[in-house]
Amino acid sequence: GAGVSQSPSNKVTEKGKDVELRCDPISGHTALYWYRQRLGQGLEFLIYFQGNSAPDKSGLPSDRFSAERTGESVSTLTIQRTQQEDSAVYLCASSQPSPRTDTQYFGPGTRLTVL
Amino acid sequence: AQSVAQPEDQVNVAEGNPLTVKCTYSVSGNPYLFWYVQYPNRGLQFLLKYITGDNLVKGSYGFEAEFNKSQTSFHLKKPSALVSDSALYFCAVRPPEGTGGFKTIFGAGTRLFVKA
Repeated sequence: GAGVSQSPSNKVTEKGKDVELRCDPISGHTALYWYRQRLGQGLEFLIYFQGNSAPDKSGLPSDRFSAERTGESVSTLTIQRTQQEDSAVYLCASSQPSPRTDTQYFGPGTRLTVL
Repeated sequence: AQSVAQPEDQVNVAEGNPLTVKCTYSVSGNPYLFWYVQYPNRGLQFLLKYITGDNLVKGSYGFEAEFNKSQTSFHLKKPSALVSDSALYFCAVRPPEGTGGFKTIFGAGTRLFVKA
């Protein structure tokens, strides 16, 4: 089937505006991850969802960041009152149960630019 | 604190020569280790993983990696590099069972250039 998809592919916004990023995981994948990749840097874990369990939000950098996921479907990452340091590529990944050992499949990412 | 280090920002190798991309980690217990590759204008792709068992793991595109517990390393290797291997490589570690959380820690990445 289709891989992980993300939208939009690119987003340019003004400082202070809110943005919403979307991730469609692979069908049947119960685990979903959000990461941030700043230019020239590695991946920074943001949040993890597994089925109906409480999400692991330990990587969210501030209370301006939040994410939701309904069941095992689409997830949205919301950044409120965007700042220039939020500019990055936001990556979503999904995996099958037993996420400790299973492979993560990544989407193409959303490139966010905050002016 | 758990961490992953990729000591080389960039590795240059001639096509046909063996390549090594280094990774060391700092995690208590028995970690799960991964390598991912990011080709230009494409998303991250899984290469290989070490969970348990044989220390030498074979993965996609002819790559392999060796888990060395005493040196806390998980170096990525390929016997004969191809120009098409040029990409950004990430090492990642996931906490062992029972430690709680599913936070995967990625290294900063190593850019591999293979010259024809």
